[in-house]
Amino acid sequence: SQQGEEDPQALSIQEGENATMNCSYKTSINNLQWYRQNSGRGLVHLILIRSNEREKHSGRLRVTLDTSKKSSSLLITASRAADTASYFCATDALDSNYQLIWGAGTKLIIKP
Amino acid sequence: DTAVSQTPKYLVTQMGNDKSIKCEQNLGHDTMYWYKQDSKKFLKIMFSYNNKELIINETVPNRFSPKSPDKAHLNLHINSLELGDSAVYFCASSQVAGKTQYFGPGTRLLVL
Repeated sequence: SQQGEEDPQALSIQEGENATMNCSYKTSINNLQWYRQNSGRGLVHLILIRSNEREKHSGRLRVTLDTSKKSSSLLITASRAADTASYFCATDALDSNYQLIWGAGTKLIIKP
Repeated sequence: DTAVSQTPKYLVTQMGNDKSIKCEQNLGHDTMYWYKQDSKKFLKIMFSYNNKELIINETVPNRFSPKSPDKAHLNLHINSLELGDSAVYFCASSQVAGKTQYFGPGTRLLVL
Protein backbone atom coordinates (compact mmCIF):
# COMPACT_ATOMS: atom_id res chain seq x y z
CA SER A 1 0.00 0.00 0.00
CA GLN A 2 1.09 3.57 -0.51
CA GLN A 3 2.73 5.37 2.32
CA GLY A 4 2.91 8.99 3.16
CA GLU A 5 6.30 10.54 3.52
CA GLU A 6 7.47 12.63 6.36
CA ASP A 7 10.44 14.88 6.66
CA PRO A 8 12.69 15.26 8.33
CA GLN A 9 13.26 11.68 9.41
CA ALA A 10 14.84 13.01 12.59
CA LEU A 11 14.87 16.42 14.25
CA SER A 12 16.83 17.54 17.30
CA ILE A 13 16.16 20.97 18.82
CA GLN A 14 16.63 22.84 22.07
CA GLU A 15 13.84 23.00 24.60
CA GLY A 16 11.74 26.10 24.03
CA GLU A 17 12.28 26.15 20.27
CA ASN A 18 9.56 25.39 17.76
CA ALA A 19 9.54 22.08 15.89
CA THR A 20 8.08 21.67 12.42
CA MET A 21 7.44 18.34 10.74
CA ASN A 22 6.08 17.82 7.25
CA CYS A 23 4.01 15.11 5.64
CA SER A 24 3.34 14.54 1.96
CA TYR A 25 0.85 12.11 0.51
CA LYS A 26 -0.12 10.85 -2.91
CA THR A 27 -3.90 10.60 -3.34
CA SER A 28 -6.98 12.66 -2.52
CA ILE A 29 -8.04 12.36 1.09
CA ASN A 30 -11.01 12.63 3.43
CA ASN A 31 -8.83 13.65 6.35
CA LEU A 32 -5.27 13.68 7.63
CA GLN A 33 -4.32 12.76 11.17
CA TRP A 34 -1.22 13.23 13.30
CA TYR A 35 -0.18 10.79 16.00
CA ARG A 36 2.60 10.71 18.59
CA GLN A 37 4.46 7.61 19.73
CA ASN A 38 6.60 7.73 22.83
CA SER A 39 9.39 5.18 23.02
CA GLY A 40 8.02 1.73 23.80
CA ARG A 41 4.41 2.88 23.72
CA GLY A 42 1.40 2.80 21.44
CA LEU A 43 0.42 5.67 19.18
CA VAL A 44 -1.66 8.51 20.55
CA HIS A 45 -3.92 10.61 18.36
CA LEU A 46 -3.06 14.31 18.37
CA ILE A 47 -5.23 16.04 15.80
CA LEU A 48 -7.42 15.36 12.75
CA ILE A 49 -7.80 17.87 9.93
CA ARG A 50 -10.47 17.42 7.28
CA SER A 51 -9.78 17.91 3.59
CA ASN A 52 -11.85 21.12 3.55
CA GLU A 53 -9.88 22.64 6.43
CA ARG A 54 -6.62 24.53 6.01
CA GLU A 55 -5.45 25.00 9.56
CA LYS A 56 -6.24 23.62 12.97
CA HIS A 57 -4.93 24.32 16.46
CA SER A 58 -4.81 22.28 19.63
CA GLY A 59 -2.87 23.75 22.52
CA ARG A 60 0.75 24.12 21.37
CA LEU A 61 0.04 22.18 18.17
CA ARG A 62 -0.73 23.79 14.85
CA VAL A 63 -1.52 21.70 11.79
CA THR A 64 -1.84 23.01 8.26
CA LEU A 65 -3.12 21.20 5.22
CA ASP A 66 -2.50 22.11 1.59
CA THR A 67 -4.51 19.75 -0.58
CA SER A 68 -3.19 21.31 -3.79
CA LYS A 69 0.34 20.32 -2.76
CA LYS A 70 -0.84 17.16 -0.98
CA SER A 71 1.10 18.13 2.10
CA SER A 72 0.61 18.89 5.77
CA SER A 73 2.78 20.31 8.50
CA LEU A 74 2.75 19.88 12.25
CA LEU A 75 4.17 22.71 14.31
CA ILE A 76 4.89 22.27 18.01
CA THR A 77 5.54 25.60 19.68
CA ALA A 78 7.66 26.15 22.81
CA SER A 79 8.85 22.55 22.81
CA ARG A 80 9.35 20.64 26.04
CA ALA A 81 11.43 17.58 26.89
CA ALA A 82 8.19 15.61 27.14
CA ASP A 83 7.57 16.26 23.43
CA THR A 84 10.44 13.87 22.62
CA ALA A 85 8.73 11.15 20.57
CA SER A 86 8.11 9.94 17.04
CA TYR A 87 5.37 11.72 15.12
CA PHE A 88 3.36 10.04 12.38
CA CYS A 89 0.92 11.36 9.85
CA ALA A 90 -1.86 9.15 8.52
CA THR A 91 -4.26 9.84 5.68
CA ASP A 92 -7.76 8.55 5.13
CA ALA A 93 -7.56 8.38 1.35
CA LEU A 94 -10.73 8.57 -0.75
CA ASP A 95 -10.04 5.28 -2.52
CA SER A 96 -8.58 3.38 0.39
CA ASN A 97 -11.68 1.66 1.79
CA TYR A 98 -11.14 3.77 4.92
CA GLN A 99 -7.71 2.27 5.49
CA LEU A 100 -5.35 4.81 7.06
CA ILE A 101 -2.12 5.19 5.11
CA TRP A 102 0.80 5.90 7.41
CA GLY A 103 3.97 7.87 7.02
CA ALA A 104 7.33 6.59 8.22
CA GLY A 105 7.45 9.05 11.09
CA THR A 106 9.69 11.86 12.29
CA LYS A 107 11.77 11.22 15.38
CA LEU A 108 11.83 14.40 17.45
CA ILE A 109 14.38 14.90 20.21
CA ILE A 110 14.10 17.89 22.53
CA LYS A 111 17.37 18.69 24.25
CA PRO A 112 17.08 20.22 27.73
CA ASP B 1 -9.47 2.08 32.87
CA THR B 2 -7.37 1.19 29.85
CA ALA B 3 -9.24 1.89 26.61
CA VAL B 4 -7.41 -0.63 24.41
CA SER B 5 -5.49 -3.41 26.11
CA GLN B 6 -3.28 -6.15 24.72
CA THR B 7 -1.77 -9.25 26.24
CA PRO B 8 0.92 -10.27 26.50
CA LYS B 9 3.17 -7.22 26.43
CA TYR B 10 6.22 -9.33 25.60
CA LEU B 11 6.34 -12.65 23.79
CA VAL B 12 9.54 -14.60 23.20
CA THR B 13 9.16 -17.89 21.39
CA GLN B 14 10.87 -20.37 19.11
CA MET B 15 10.52 -20.61 15.36
CA GLY B 16 7.72 -22.94 14.32
CA ASN B 17 5.57 -22.33 17.40
CA ASP B 18 1.97 -21.13 17.36
CA LYS B 19 1.03 -18.13 19.49
CA SER B 20 -1.88 -15.78 20.12
CA ILE B 21 -2.12 -12.14 21.09
CA LYS B 22 -5.31 -10.84 22.67
CA CYS B 23 -6.86 -7.41 22.30
CA GLU B 24 -9.82 -5.84 24.05
CA GLN B 25 -11.35 -2.38 23.77
CA ASN B 26 -13.89 -0.89 26.18
CA LEU B 27 -14.73 2.14 24.04
CA GLY B 28 -17.74 0.63 22.31
CA HIS B 29 -16.05 1.10 18.95
CA ASP B 30 -17.25 -0.69 15.84
CA THR B 31 -13.89 -1.19 14.12
CA MET B 32 -10.71 -2.85 15.37
CA TYR B 33 -7.33 -3.24 13.71
CA TRP B 34 -4.07 -5.11 13.91
CA TYR B 35 -0.84 -3.43 12.86
CA LYS B 36 2.74 -4.66 12.58
CA GLN B 37 5.52 -2.16 13.31
CA ASP B 38 8.95 -3.23 12.17
CA SER B 39 12.34 -2.17 13.48
CA LYS B 40 12.31 0.88 11.18
CA LYS B 41 9.03 1.99 12.77
CA PHE B 42 6.95 1.43 9.61
CA LEU B 43 3.33 0.72 10.48
CA LYS B 44 1.65 -1.90 8.31
CA ILE B 45 -2.07 -2.60 8.55
CA MET B 46 -2.70 -6.31 8.80
CA PHE B 47 -6.42 -6.66 9.47
CA SER B 48 -9.43 -4.67 10.44
CA TYR B 49 -12.80 -5.86 11.65
CA ASN B 50 -16.06 -3.94 11.54
CA ASN B 51 -18.91 -5.48 13.52
CA LYS B 52 -17.18 -8.85 13.26
CA GLU B 53 -16.83 -8.59 9.51
CA LEU B 54 -13.36 -8.53 7.99
CA ILE B 55 -13.13 -5.44 5.83
CA ILE B 56 -9.42 -5.19 5.16
CA ASN B 57 -6.94 -7.97 4.72
CA GLU B 58 -3.60 -6.82 3.37
CA THR B 59 -1.06 -9.17 1.83
CA VAL B 60 -0.45 -10.95 5.09
CA PRO B 61 0.58 -14.61 5.16
CA ASN B 62 -2.27 -16.95 5.98
CA ARG B 63 -0.28 -18.05 9.03
CA PHE B 64 -1.84 -14.96 10.60
CA SER B 65 -5.52 -15.19 11.40
CA PRO B 66 -7.70 -12.70 13.27
CA LYS B 67 -10.48 -13.98 15.50
CA SER B 68 -13.22 -11.74 16.84
CA PRO B 69 -15.49 -13.44 19.40
CA ASP B 70 -17.40 -10.18 19.89
CA LYS B 71 -17.25 -6.49 19.01
CA ALA B 72 -14.92 -5.70 21.91
CA HIS B 73 -12.27 -8.31 21.13
CA LEU B 74 -9.97 -8.97 18.20
CA ASN B 75 -7.35 -11.63 18.80
CA LEU B 76 -4.44 -12.45 16.51
CA HIS B 77 -3.34 -16.04 16.00
CA ILE B 78 0.00 -16.78 14.41
CA ASN B 79 0.93 -20.27 13.25
CA SER B 80 4.40 -21.59 12.45
CA LEU B 81 6.22 -18.49 13.61
CA GLU B 82 9.17 -17.31 11.52
CA LEU B 83 12.14 -15.10 12.36
CA GLY B 84 10.70 -12.33 10.18
CA ASP B 85 7.60 -12.19 12.34
CA SER B 86 9.63 -10.48 15.07
CA ALA B 87 8.14 -7.02 15.46
CA VAL B 88 5.80 -5.00 17.64
CA TYR B 89 2.14 -5.74 17.03
CA PHE B 90 -0.41 -3.07 17.83
CA CYS B 91 -4.13 -3.41 18.24
CA ALA B 92 -6.26 -0.32 17.65
CA SER B 93 -9.91 0.62 17.48
CA SER B 94 -12.01 3.42 16.04
CA GLN B 95 -15.64 4.42 16.31
CA VAL B 96 -15.93 4.20 12.55
CA ALA B 97 -13.36 3.19 9.95
CA GLY B 98 -11.14 6.04 8.76
CA LYS B 99 -11.53 8.14 11.87
CA THR B 100 -9.41 8.59 15.00
CA GLN B 101 -7.78 5.36 16.09
CA TYR B 102 -6.96 4.42 19.67
CA PHE B 103 -3.96 2.16 20.08
CA GLY B 104 -3.06 -0.49 22.59
CA PRO B 105 0.38 -0.53 24.22
CA GLY B 106 1.77 -3.09 21.78
CA THR B 107 3.03 -6.66 21.99
CA ARG B 108 6.75 -7.11 21.41
CA LEU B 109 7.22 -10.44 19.66
CA LEU B 110 10.66 -11.96 19.37
CA VAL B 111 11.05 -15.19 17.43
CA LEU B 112 14.28 -17.06 18.08
